Amino acid sequence: DADVTQTPRNRITKTGKRIMLECSQTKGHDRMYWYRQDPGLGLRLIYYSFDVKDINKGEISDGYSVSRQAQAKFSLSLESAIPNQTALYFCATSDPLGGGYTFGSGTRLTVV
Amino acid sequence: AQSVAQPEDQVNVAEGNPLTVKCTYSVSGNPYLFWYVQYPNRGLQFLLKYITGDNLVKGSYGFEAEFNKSQTSFHLKKPSALVSDSALYFCAVRDPMEYGNKLVFGAGTILRVKS
Repeated sequence: DADVTQTPRNRITKTGKRIMLECSQTKGHDRMYWYRQDPGLGLRLIYYSFDVKDINKGEISDGYSVSRQAQAKFSLSLESAIPNQTALYFCATSDPLGGGYTFGSGTRLTVV
Repeated sequence: AQSVAQPEDQVNVAEGNPLTVKCTYSVSGNPYLFWYVQYPNRGLQFLLKYITGDNLVKGSYGFEAEFNKSQTSFHLKKPSALVSDSALYFCAVRDPMEYGNKLVFGAGTILRVKS
């Protein structure tokens, strides 16, 4: 099994619909992150969490919410999807000792 | 706040030639620096990192990067490019003094290696 698993891999949804992207990890790390990738913009941080009671906004949190259900699970929700939220979404986890991130395979979301 | 610049949208090299993908950064303290690679329809894979110590770091698939503090650069290099190196490369920086352990990414550089 992958260290970081994201579901679904691909999703097409309609404007105004609520959608949840799920992420689970087996690394045993406390720190989890949600990024979105857009062409020419790289990856931008949406939300991050250090434990189930510690949720923090990133640079582009508007229109998104998250839930940390357990150490291993971190979900991203779009309450009312809009077309400019069409992007590739990545979940990641990191250790606290200075290492890099371990990324999931991504969720490609299209809002029509 | 930290930032990363990858000045080239795309780098083209011939197979067998050396390659360089450029990265400059801005951070208030001592940086932690990373390179990731993304192949089509895949997630990001870790290549290498600089935390402290030797300025030349070696990573996966024959890649290396040199940390240059005076020029605030962390260029990715490989002595002999392969067609299979063609991918999207991201440089990232983290400020260890800043709360959140957050990585800030550059916009990415597409590497095309032609046979």
